[in-house]
Amino acid sequence: QVQLQQSGPGLVKPSQTLSLTCGISGDSVSSNSAAWNWIRQSPSRGLEWLGRTYYRSKWYNDYAVSVKSRITINPDTSKNQFSLQLNSVTPEDTAVYYCAREADYRPGATTDFDYWGQGTLVTVSS
Amino acid sequence: DIQMTQSPSSLSASVGDRVTITCRASQSSSSYLNWYQQKPGKAPKLLIYAASSLQSGVPSRFSGSGSGTDFTLTISSLQPEDFATYYCQQSYSTPFTFGPGTKVDIK
Repeated sequence: QVQLQQSGPGLVKPSQTLSLTCGISGDSVSSNSAAWNWIRQSPSRGLEWLGRTYYRSKWYNDYAVSVKSRITINPDTSKNQFSLQLNSVTPEDTAVYYCAREADYRPGATTDFDYWGQGTLVTVSS
Repeated sequence: DIQMTQSPSSLSASVGDRVTITCRASQSSSSYLNWYQQKPGKAPKLLIYAASSLQSGVPSRFSGSGSGTDFTLTISSLQPEDFATYYCQQSYSTPFTFGPGTKVDIK
């Protein structure tokens, strides 16, 4: 059974960096049949995909254009986890942040988010 | 980006009712369409993947259909634990995008 455990602060000051970590059990961040995603949810923006990291003989990242200049998602193979860093935050970055596994083993190359972390409410405020 | 819309945005239904939720993509998503259920304070839960495949452990009263731009989630007989918000999501191309949600509440 895959479990994702999120950690990180719930309050970040404007202009600073939001940092969250997602610990993985029951799978590997280096898996060739999964990708590791960050998604956030707010009343104003709904569910918003932020980006992912995945390993297919080498490491790849994809990021949403809306945050591409500010976001970094990194794998940590030694701890079997991955992280989110979002720089220069504003109050508009206030949201519940989720990590999620993207299953990449279905027939037909379809993917989906089959396991999610518990969510972290991050408030951007001074 | 592929934009997702859902209708209705909310509905009231009774236990035992048949419920249908529609999702439309702004361009073809083939069958790369997933459905999630979310309850307050919880993460979304995968119900249906690839438009019509039931995720393991999900009751068979949930079903999905469609391809291209038009998709449907059906609950054949609504149960008390099904009152929640439902989201569609396309996985055809990044950025992955979600619909705005359909809230199902008690009539």
